[in-house]
Formats: sequence, structure tokens, C-alpha cells
Amino acid sequence: GAGVSQSPSNKVTEKGKDVELRCDPISGHTALYWYRQSLGQGLEFLIYFQGNSAPDKSGLPSDRFSAERTGGSVSTLTIQRTQQEDSAVYLCASSPTTGEGEQYFGPGTRLTVT
Amino acid sequence: DQQVKQNSPSLSVQEGRISILNCDYTNSMFDYFLWYKKYPAEGPTFLISISSIKDKNEDGRFTVFLNKSAKHLSLHIVPSQPGDSAVYFCAAVNNAGNMLTFGGGTRLMVKP
Repeated sequence: GAGVSQSPSNKVTEKGKDVELRCDPISGHTALYWYRQSLGQGLEFLIYFQGNSAPDKSGLPSDRFSAERTGGSVSTLTIQRTQQEDSAVYLCASSPTTGEGEQYFGPGTRLTVT
Repeated sequence: DQQVKQNSPSLSVQEGRISILNCDYTNSMFDYFLWYKKYPAEGPTFLISISSIKDKNEDGRFTVFLNKSAKHLSLHIVPSQPGDSAVYFCAAVNNAGNMLTFGGGTRLMVKP
């Protein structure tokens, strides 16, 4: 079946511009996660959605970052007034539920802020 | 403060030999651990997991060992194959079960 998809695969933007990254989770998965991987770094948790509950935003690095999930499915991660340090690969993952069990990752969006 | 650490950024192994990738954690509340494999330009893919009630889990060529007292886990790949060349991340699930905490990754290169 279809896996997690993300768009765009690559995004180059100028410093100060806003960007939106999209994630389509696996159908039926109730949990959705955003991570990012900066150059030479491990994966950093950003935000988590579970069903209709309020998201866990504890990993967002600043108030320039926000995310929403419409209808319990598609999610968009928005970065306002981008900075060069926002350059990273942004990964989305979904899972059938929380707790044990693996998360299924999309291919990521490579964001470059010039 | 990194709660999950992979101290070896890279590892080179000859085809057919054993690859051992190590991971240490500091949070004693972690009770479930996973290994992911990542190829360039792709998202991580799940490889194998282990619950804290076990000390070993095996799946084909892959075995994960957990030493809770040492807060250490390792992934053994035997025999190693060139297609195993990738970045391997260990991850731990927090007690709320709502996010993975990843190590920094180890790049494995298996030479033919």
C-alpha cells in the first residue's frame, strides 16, 4: 500500500520567506510526527498529533514554527520568516497508534534557506 | 543533553564479517528501543526493536541486545552485506509513547 508521502521533496527559499511543507500519512494511521535532521545531526522531534487531541508541540524550536493537521489526515508544517539555521531535512512519520511499534517515515523534504 | 547517543559516527566492515553498532541512553524511563536504517534521500525504515523486558531479539541476520543495567544496546548484523551500507539510528520510546528520541546515527560501510 501507499506509504507516507511528503511534498515538496526539495525546497530552496530566501531568508525571511515563509514555507509550507506537506505530509500525507498512511491511511488509517492516527498518529503523525514531524522530525528534522540538520546536517551531521540525528533526528530531532518537532511535533506530534494523535487523533483529535491537542498536538504535542514540545519540540518546536521557536514560535516561527507551527503545524496543523486537517481532518485527522494531511499535515502541514509552516516555518515563518525562515532563517539559515532552519536548513535541514524535515521528516514526517505516522503510526497506527502511539506507544510501542514502529513509525513509518516519509522520504523527507530538504529545505535550504539561502 | 543527548539522551540517546551513538558514539561511533562511522564503521567499516568487510563483507561476510559481523557489524556491531552500539547505542547508549541515559533516561531510565525509556522502555522500548528501535533500530532504523536510512539510505540517502530516503526516510528511515524500521529494522528491529526490543522491549525492556527482553535482553535479545533476533530477526534473520539482525540481532539487537539490550543491557538495561548498563543502559546500552547494540545491533549485530551477521554476515554483513554490501547492501547493508547505510546510516543506522537507534531510537528510544518515551514513557508516554508519543515520540522517538534518536541517536546521532552510525554510518556503516560494508566493503565487498
